[in-house]
Amino acid sequence: GDSVTQTEGLVTLTEGLPVMLNCTYQSTYSPFLFWYVQHLNEAPKLLLKSFTDNKRPEHQGFHATLHKSSSSFHLQKSSAQLSDSALYYCALSDRGNYKYVFGAGTRLKVIA
Amino acid sequence: GGIITQTPKFLIGQEGQKLTLKCQQNFNHDTMYWYRQDSGKGLRLIYYSITENDLQKGDLSEGYDASREKKSSFSLTVTSAQKNEMAVFLCASSPDWGGYTGQLYFGEGSKLTVL
Repeated sequence: GDSVTQTEGLVTLTEGLPVMLNCTYQSTYSPFLFWYVQHLNEAPKLLLKSFTDNKRPEHQGFHATLHKSSSSFHLQKSSAQLSDSALYYCALSDRGNYKYVFGAGTRLKVIA
Repeated sequence: GGIITQTPKFLIGQEGQKLTLKCQQNFNHDTMYWYRQDSGKGLRLIYYSITENDLQKGDLSEGYDASREKKSSFSLTVTSAQKNEMAVFLCASSPDWGGYTGQLYFGEGSKLTVL
């Protein structure tokens, strides 16, 4: 079955350093990959979604590249900000499956 | 823009009690979902519904019932609350048929505590 793996449960970074959150997946078909972000006491919301044409999605300084050869969709940002502290979920959906599959989540803590 | 409203925001129950969570969306989305959020386990699907009166079991449906009375609302019932259980339940909706290509829109969650 489909699965999403986020290897880090907690990532702590100093403000200004680059961010990279890992996401790998297994899927029967060619899935869409998503990153959702959840700030404290808020609803999760979409941060990024993969494109079908190999374009790199970007939002709020974050970007992610879908690598089908390695089944990865890592989230990156060049410089972390305090406001980036949140819980980040990687997820996939694929053809013929109404269910999204989520990873375990990575909590990003950015410190001054 | 639309909104997803979950009620109640906090729910305290007793062991063995039947507890119901409600979700309303005004996006006019067809598909709605209930997820359970546990630290370190991600979001696990309990039930989903692709249209009014449709119900589909997710991976975590045991111990839960759901109801989709109308397009805009989706309820989740914990059939028998487990002692010391604590969890956050998230309702979501999606505009696409089955949510294949579209994003999920989430509510802020309902936090359950069982004494």
